[in-house]
Amino acid sequence: AQSVTQLGSHVSVSEGALVLLRCNYSSSVPPYLFWYVQYPNQGLQLLLKYTSAATLVKGINDFEAEFKKSETSFHLTKPSAHMSDAAEYFCAGVSGGSYIPTFGRGTSLIVHP
Amino acid sequence: DAGVIQSPRHEVTEMGQEVTLRCKPISGHNSLFWYRQTMMRGLELLIYFNNNVPIDDSGMPEDRFSAKMPNASFSTLKIQPSEPRDSAVYFCASSPQGPTEAFFGQGTRLTVV
Repeated sequence: AQSVTQLGSHVSVSEGALVLLRCNYSSSVPPYLFWYVQYPNQGLQLLLKYTSAATLVKGINDFEAEFKKSETSFHLTKPSAHMSDAAEYFCAGVSGGSYIPTFGRGTSLIVHP
Repeated sequence: DAGVIQSPRHEVTEMGQEVTLRCKPISGHNSLFWYRQTMMRGLELLIYFNNNVPIDDSGMPEDRFSAKMPNASFSTLKIQPSEPRDSAVYFCASSPQGPTEAFFGQGTRLTVV
C-alpha cells in the first residue's frame, strides 16, 4: 500500500526566503504524487501533481516539486516565500492499483515578515 | 462546475443526537471519499465509493457511523448517536476514474457538546 511521510510538522521561513517542504513516499510500484494546500477554514486545493511524465513538476503560485526515485522523495519548493503562502501543506500519494489518496500528516508553513 | 458541495458548513449538536452530513460530488466523477480531519489524527479516510458502491469502509470508526451513496450526485454520512469525540471537520472529495487527484469540498465542522 502507498504511504507518504512528511518531515516536520512546522516549517518557519522569512518572507522572501526559500521554502522547502519534505515528503517521502513508500511504494512498491511507481506512485502518483500530489501536493495540496489548505488555508484556514477551507478544503484542500491541489498545488501540483506527478503522474510519471516529467520529474520536475510545476504548480500554481511558483511552487514546484521534483520526483526523485532514488531517494523516494517528492519535496515541495518555492524560491521566495510570500506572507500569503502561510497555510497547511499536504503530500498525498495514490498507487497504481488503488484509487485511494493517502495523505501525510501535513506541514504548517509559517512565514515571518 | 461548482466543485464538491458539502452541507452544512457548520453543525453544533448535543451528544446523543443524530447528525447527517451531505455531499454533492463533481458531475462525472466516479469516486467519492469521506475524510475526517482532527489535530490529533490528521486526515483519515472514512469510506471510499466507486460508481456509488462502497469499496473500502475500513476507516469507519464504529457502528455509529454509516454512509450511503444512493446515486452518482449525492452522498450522506450519518452519525447516530453522536459523541463529543466525533467533533472534527469532515470532508467529502471526488475524483474521476483512475489514480488521479481528489477534489475537496469546503468541509463540515462538527461540534458535539
